[in-house]
Amino acid sequence: EIVLTQSPATLSLSPGERATLSCRASQSVSNYLAWYQQKPGQAPRLLIYDASNRATGIPARFSGSGSGTDFTLTISSLEPEDFAVYYCQQRTNWWTFGQGTKVEIK
Amino acid sequence: VQLVESGGGLVQPGGSLRLSCAASGLTFSDYAMNWVRQAPGKGLEWVSTIGSGGGTFYADSVKGRFTISRDKSKNTVNLHMNSLRAEDTAVYYCASFPNGEHYFDNWGQGTVVTVSS
Repeated sequence: EIVLTQSPATLSLSPGERATLSCRASQSVSNYLAWYQQKPGQAPRLLIYDASNRATGIPARFSGSGSGTDFTLTISSLEPEDFAVYYCQQRTNWWTFGQGTKVEIK
Repeated sequence: VQLVESGGGLVQPGGSLRLSCAASGLTFSDYAMNWVRQAPGKGLEWVSTIGSGGGTFYADSVKGRFTISRDKSKNTVNLHMNSLRAEDTAVYYCASFPNGEHYFDNWGQGTVVTVSS
């Protein structure tokens, strides 16, 4: 099983600041990695797929990068609606998710 | 696209439950259908997948206890859950991905399963 480790567990930032979230895989997943956003009481929403491609309707302030075992989700300037939990997910070997990073208001 | 789950509830340990997911707004035969769960206060866990051709896949934690199926005539996917345990308590989400894509691009609102005596 491929284990995805996300860091940090919690990120405390203010609106307008830049957020950088990390996801590390226990073995190479090539570029087969996605990012999701989940708000309280809601289902997850696909943000990024294949490491760097934005899903339909996702604002340009969200960007993804990386390949192999190290990946990053960047939110260039946090909007109030971006405070949420973010998960990474790999599709190379079955489907597994990271444990999540909570982006909270500082 | 709309995915609507039903069938959740309270069940005793060792009991059974069937979850259903009705899909609309998509060409059902072009999508694999999945169940992903989230235990209270925890992260996301993939549970099961059924491909458009009927191939099935299960997480080790549910293999032998859960069965996924799809009904092409009704655009629905079901999850039959047997021998339920306390650790199966979670919100169960139905999710889809297009054939060959393997990223969950559509999600239902979830249905709550509670296993408790």
